Amino acid sequence: EADIYQTPRYLVIGTGKKITLECSQTMGHDKMYWYQQDPGMELHLIHYSYGVNSTEKGDLSSESTVSRIRTEHFPLTLESARPSHTSQYLCASSEGTETGELFFGEGSRLTVL
Amino acid sequence: GQNIDQPTEMTATEGAIVQINCTYQTSGFNGLFWYQQHAGEAPTFLSYNVLDGLEEKGRFSSFLSRSKGYSYLLLKELQMKDSASYLCAVTDSNYQLIWGAGTKLIIKP
Repeated sequence: EADIYQTPRYLVIGTGKKITLECSQTMGHDKMYWYQQDPGMELHLIHYSYGVNSTEKGDLSSESTVSRIRTEHFPLTLESARPSHTSQYLCASSEGTETGELFFGEGSRLTVL
Repeated sequence: GQNIDQPTEMTATEGAIVQINCTYQTSGFNGLFWYQQHAGEAPTFLSYNVLDGLEEKGRFSSFLSRSKGYSYLLLKELQMKDSASYLCAVTDSNYQLIWGAGTKLIIKP
């Protein structure tokens, strides 16, 4: 069973608020990812990291930022939430090999009013 | 551009067999994944193919033809718990994962 955790699972906030979605994994994986997924739609890569102090932006334009100060921790921050940010956010990790499967957290469902 | 196509929805009967197809056009190819995602939950890994042919794992099998840019996931002896979305994803030449929108599989008694 995967050991990757996300908090909060559900969050309803007002426009303009700053939020941080937490993601932690205890598998020692170097690679970590943040995806955004709307119902019935494909996963869109927002950010990824291949190790400590390494972060890259994905394909989806986003007003979010990430940090990777520790191997196990990969938080995602929205400085000023907007209704368009309403979505499911999935964190995932994988081993260092190129063919490693992704292990996903249970997701954070964000609603911005 | 890069593209992955899967049927949006399929319906099958409990105990039967269903085949979910996936075609892809990507810049390079370094493997194809199938994931299962139950409603409201995170995807979980099912299979990985990098060479042509069939990979069997219990009731689930996955097939790949690189020359045709084609894969399928075969589910046998369908159970109600198999009702889920099935996501096809391809690793491109930069080892980035390109995801399909998923196929929602509905199992009827």
